[in-house]
Amino acid sequence: SQKIEQNSEALNIQEGKTATLTCNYTNYSPAYLQWYRQDPGRGPVFLLLIRENEKEKRKERLKVTFDTTLKQSLFHITASQPADSATYLCAALNDYKLSFGAGTTVTVRA
Amino acid sequence: EAGVTQFPSHSVIEKGQTVTLRCDPISGHDNLYWYRRVMGKEIKFLLHFVKESKQDESGMPNNRFLAERTGGTYSTLKVQPAELEDSGVYFCASSQDYSADTQYFGPGTRLTVL
Repeated sequence: SQKIEQNSEALNIQEGKTATLTCNYTNYSPAYLQWYRQDPGRGPVFLLLIRENEKEKRKERLKVTFDTTLKQSLFHITASQPADSATYLCAALNDYKLSFGAGTTVTVRA
Repeated sequence: EAGVTQFPSHSVIEKGQTVTLRCDPISGHDNLYWYRRVMGKEIKFLLHFVKESKQDESGMPNNRFLAERTGGTYSTLKVQPAELEDSGVYFCASSQDYSADTQYFGPGTRLTVL
């Protein structure tokens, strides 16, 4: 069956460092991968989308890569800040339907 | 511009009772989605409306769940009768384009079935 896996439940890093999150998918080839941020008690908030023919996408301090050979997306937060502490969700978009990973909770220590 | 709103924010009901969740999408968004997250699991797709029509309800768990979207505006999701395993957070999302590049999520309704 189709599966999206985020291989870390939690990531603790020092302020100023780069956080790197991994998302792997199996048994299908999504046309798009998306990354969302979710804060406690809130719904997911869209951050970035990357298409299967794109290798890399950037937005401010965020960078996403998409490797269709490895079936993997990496999400980087550079120069991390305590305000970046949240759960980050990877989601595959095929047609109109999102399939989410379980999420990685990032905690940035001041 | 107002975002996606959901009501209620929390609901606690007894097993066997009925609950109706409401979602108001962003104005002008034809596409409306329901998702849910049950304890310890990832967020899962339930169904998709385009205007008032159900486009895909393949994620609906069983016939105790009924979704409607009257007039293509707000949507309701009714659970009748509720079971313990229905507990979780129900999210609504909306998008403008059918290709659904960006789905905007509401804050969710936390449902607890006792």
